[in-house]
Amino acid sequence: DQQVKQNSPSLSVQEGRISILNCDYTNSMFDYFLWYKKYPAEGPTFLISISSIKDKNEDGRFTVFLNKSAKHLSLHIVPSQPGDSAVYFCAAIKAGTYKYIFGTGTRLKVLA
Amino acid sequence: NAGVMQNPRHLVRRRGQEARLRCSPVKGHSHVYWYRQLPEEGLKFMVYLQKENIIDESGMPKERFSAEFPKEGPSILRIQQVVRGDSAAYFCASSPGSSNSPLHFGNGTRLTVT
Repeated sequence: DQQVKQNSPSLSVQEGRISILNCDYTNSMFDYFLWYKKYPAEGPTFLISISSIKDKNEDGRFTVFLNKSAKHLSLHIVPSQPGDSAVYFCAAIKAGTYKYIFGTGTRLKVLA
Repeated sequence: NAGVMQNPRHLVRRRGQEARLRCSPVKGHSHVYWYRQLPEEGLKFMVYLQKENIIDESGMPKERFSAEFPKEGPSILRIQQVVRGDSAAYFCASSPGSSNSPLHFGNGTRLTVT
């Protein structure tokens, strides 16, 4: 039972354009969401998070949007850079618990 | 400012041998997680530990796998009598345990069973 889903295994974007990575979840009890970036042969690195009391959080080129009614979140990267090429994982957790549930990842390739 | 340290980075074992993976969390973090990533798959939760206690091992196979986080020293993930299907990247993560705090991951141990 995959509670956090990333339905696009890969995405290619031209440098300078916007990258949009999507994530859907099924458990309405989740109330904290995170995005991680992972380069080959390295561990995931925390990128940005959002609490369910917000619908948007921005940090530099990275913005996460949360649509609770649709149980959907997205990560926008603007402008995309070749160094952003990596696998991106979304994760979710219910407050007061400890089990972070990860999606299967989306491989982003930013073309120079 | 050391992050999560995992060793070894690469481990090769023959079928039937034991694999021992180590993880030192971020200094001050008392919560440790182990995740497994199979080729072309996402991160699967295995076990969550606090100092000297296993809190949730629901993601860990019942046989051959064990984990510990002693009062002193690193957390250890132990796999006995390894089989080819155990070949994967094993990631350790730590957190301070406060609500809504992100996990900090190590660079993983890539286990290859020949």
